[in-house]
Amino acid sequence: IAGITQAPTSQILAAGRRMTLRCTQDMRHNAMYWYRQDLGLGLRLIHYSNTAGTTGKGEVPDGYSVSRANTDDFPLTLASAVPSQTSVYFCASSVEGTGVPDTQYFGPGTRLTVL
Amino acid sequence: GQNIDQPTEMTATEGAIVQINCTYQTSGFNGLFWYQQHAGEAPTFLSYNVLDGLEEKGRFSSFLSRSKGYSYLLLKELQMKDSASYLCAVVDSNYQLIWGAGTKLIIKP
Repeated sequence: IAGITQAPTSQILAAGRRMTLRCTQDMRHNAMYWYRQDLGLGLRLIHYSNTAGTTGKGEVPDGYSVSRANTDDFPLTLASAVPSQTSVYFCASSVEGTGVPDTQYFGPGTRLTVL
Repeated sequence: GQNIDQPTEMTATEGAIVQINCTYQTSGFNGLFWYQQHAGEAPTFLSYNVLDGLEEKGRFSSFLSRSKGYSYLLLKELQMKDSASYLCAVVDSNYQLIWGAGTKLIIKP
């Protein structure tokens, strides 16, 4: 593994189903992030984690949850998917996440369609 | 509120120069990033400015004026592979990135 990986690459999901998007990094970065990207809008932060064991809410956290049990993994769960959650989801990481304007490195993204 | 403005789309000719502008109004300022994103791919880092002035990196340069809330990305000697979206992002007072919607740059031969 080199950098950040995300799985699945794409997914079509029925409304109401539960879904977990996976994200793994091998750079030993402290901070990790989940964004969604929609046409005509900037990247919007869903949740973040400044270090293993801690998480925080971003701009659009409703309907999503995250966990950070270790440094490498940062899964994003949709408890009951709705069509408005159709989007491209990017996971990102940075060396530090607290008090430093740090470069973020992005995974390849997951394209999610909720029908 | 927080606001980042960029043109939605620009067109330029191969070999030419193009300037992509970004204006911002945010709660605090701790720097500004430019990222490149090819269609269907992840954003990748281009530059970071925190002090006023121009920073040059090969064919790409980035300028910042904090007093005017303004930045631009200058691309010289355009190549077809420069066709992509260019994202401006400001680091706010909480050290979170506030992203613009991006500028889609189309390069014509």
